[in-house]
Amino acid sequence: AQSVTQPDIHITVSEGASLELRCNYSYGATPYLFWYVQSPGQGLQLLLKYFSGDTLVQGIKGFEAEFKRSQSSFNLRKPSVHWSDAAEYFCAVQTYNTDKLIFGTGTRLQVFP
Amino acid sequence: DTEVTQTPKHLVMGMTNKKSLKCEQHMGHRAMYWYKQKAKKPPELMFVYSYEKLSINESVPSRFSPECPNSSLLNLHLHALQPEDSALYLCASSQGEGGKNIQYFGAGTRLSVL
Repeated sequence: AQSVTQPDIHITVSEGASLELRCNYSYGATPYLFWYVQSPGQGLQLLLKYFSGDTLVQGIKGFEAEFKRSQSSFNLRKPSVHWSDAAEYFCAVQTYNTDKLIFGTGTRLQVFP
Repeated sequence: DTEVTQTPKHLVMGMTNKKSLKCEQHMGHRAMYWYKQKAKKPPELMFVYSYEKLSINESVPSRFSPECPNSSLLNLHLHALQPEDSALYLCASSQGEGGKNIQYFGAGTRLSVL
């Protein structure tokens, strides 16, 4: 069965520092991969997606993610974090023939000034 | 415009009440979804409608009853809920079925069952 693991439940960084959020998936083939962000009490906003092609994908708000097939990973990065980036981040996987998004447990990002 | 609108934003109901959640999108999307999200947890899929027909029901209790009156509108009818049903209910839509379809989420309805 497909699954997504986000090993870090909570990450704290200083404003201006770089950020990497980890995501590992389990699936027999290449899945479709997504990163969503959720501010408190809000819905989910899509940051970026990977379907195929270039393994380094750019998203909104200065985020990027790299798909590494050999490591079954899709880590999210940002070179310089802003205080407004504080939120919950979810990695999700979707298989090619279903509508189902399978979410990881999320990583809560806290940003200190 | 990638907006999915959910109403109401907040809802408080007793266990004997009947209420409905509403979701609307005008992006021409043909698939719509209901998710339930408990605090500090990821969203869990409840239902999927594709071309106005129910295509996935994730073994949700019958006290939750979805309805898709047309391709732009999705309702979730609630009846005889339990306190453990208190959660954020999220609606999403996508262009169509199957993979490679981006799901766009609404802001959710925060439901409290007393």
